[in-house]
Amino acid sequence: AQTVTQSQPEMSVQEAETVTLSCTYDTSESDYYLFWYKQPPSRQMILVIRQEAYKQQNATENRFSVNFQKAAKSFSLKISDSQLGDAAMYFCAYRSQTRSGGGADGLTFGKGTHLIIQP
Amino acid sequence: NAGVMQNPRHLVRRRGQEARLRCSPMKGHSHVYWYRQLPEEGLKFMVYLQKENIIDESGMPKERFSAEFPKEGPSILRIQQVVRGDSAAYFCASSPVRVNSPLHFGNGTRLTVT
Repeated sequence: AQTVTQSQPEMSVQEAETVTLSCTYDTSESDYYLFWYKQPPSRQMILVIRQEAYKQQNATENRFSVNFQKAAKSFSLKISDSQLGDAAMYFCAYRSQTRSGGGADGLTFGKGTHLIIQP
Repeated sequence: NAGVMQNPRHLVRRRGQEARLRCSPMKGHSHVYWYRQLPEEGLKFMVYLQKENIIDESGMPKERFSAEFPKEGPSILRIQQVVRGDSAAYFCASSPVRVNSPLHFGNGTRLTVT
């Protein structure tokens, strides 16, 4: 079974600064997808960015980028120019590309990192 | 284009009652997933359904919990004889095809068992 670990329960950053959230995962598969989701106090789950494991190039979405290290099974999220609206819980998630049951069709989430933006 | 709709937003039940949570997927989406989020935790997979079929229910407790996605109407997650430990946020997500499409989440239903 796959596992996702987010070792930082909480992170704090000054507005306009850069912050990196870490995520590691464990899998025996070679093809899979990785995601970062944002959950503000409204509880809505918002997709921030995704990465296909077969792609070597790191995904980027505006101020959000990832550092995907496949051999190290690491998938960190970098937020540049932090804004007050970035304050939220951030969840790293894994999804298998092949159907193998045991919840593989869905997402496996880490426990999340609470990001605080200080004005 | 409406997103994934879940209702109710909040649901309060006394111990022993039944809870019914509804989820309407995005238009054109035929795959539905249910997740449970306990306080201070990430989302945990419960069940994956397509129209009229349960594909994977490996994350759902064997007793008291059931899910359906009928040909017409929303997907329903049903919890019978609720207990305090069932208190959580329940999220529904949908996708148009499996695997290579991201999941779109609803805003969740907060179930409180008193």
